[in-house]
Amino acid sequence: AQSVTQLDSHVSVSEGTPVLLRCNYSSSYSPSLFWYVQHPNKGLQLLLKYTSAATLVKGINGFEAEFKKSETSFHLTKPSAHMSDAAEYFCVVSEGRGFQKLVFGTGTRLLVSP
Amino acid sequence: EAGVAQSPRYKIIEKRQSVAFWCNPISGHATLYWYQQILGQGPKLLIQFQNNGVVDDSQLPKDRFSAERLKGVDSTLKIQPAKLEDSAVYLCASSYGDTQYFGPGTRLTVL
Repeated sequence: AQSVTQLDSHVSVSEGTPVLLRCNYSSSYSPSLFWYVQHPNKGLQLLLKYTSAATLVKGINGFEAEFKKSETSFHLTKPSAHMSDAAEYFCVVSEGRGFQKLVFGTGTRLLVSP
Repeated sequence: EAGVAQSPRYKIIEKRQSVAFWCNPISGHATLYWYQQILGQGPKLLIQFQNNGVVDDSQLPKDRFSAERLKGVDSTLKIQPAKLEDSAVYLCASSYGDTQYFGPGTRLTVL
C-alpha cells in the first residue's frame, strides 16, 4: 500500500523567510503526488501535483515541489512566506490507476509570524 | 464554475441518533468521493462513486454508514446510529481526470 509521511507536525517561520514542508512517500508504482492546503473552515485546495512529467513542479501562490525518486521525497517550498500562507498542508499520494484513491499524510501546520 | 457544495455545514447530534449529509459535485464530474477527517488527522476515504456505481467502499463502516448517489449526480451520506467517535469533518470531493476538488465539509459533533 502507498503512504506518505510528513516529517513535521508544525513549522513556524517569519514573514518573508523561506518555507520548507517535508514529505516522504512510499509507493510500489510510479506515484502521483499532490500538495493540498486547508485554511480554517475552508475546503481543501490543490496547490500542485506531480504526475511523472517534470520533477520540479510549480503551483499556485508561489509554491513549488521537487520529486526526488532516489530520496522518495516530495518537499514543498516557497521562497518568501506571507501571512496568508498560514494553514494546514497535506502531502498526498495517489494509489492506483484510473479510479484515483488519495492517501493523505497527517498534515503540517504552517505558522507565519510578522 | 461553481465548486462542490455540501450541506449542512455544521451538525450537532446525540449518540445513537441518525444524521445525513448532502453533496452536489461540480457539474460534469463523474467521480465522487466521501472522506472523513478526524481532528488532527488527514482525510480518510470512506467511499468512491463512479457515476452511480460504487468503486471503493472498503473503509466504510457498513454497519452504521451508508451512501448513495442516485442518477449519478448528488450524493448523500448517512450515519445511523451515530457514535461519539464519528465526530469529524465529512468532506465531499469530485473529480474529472486526476485532480479532486473538495467541498467545504460538514462538521459533525456527536454528544
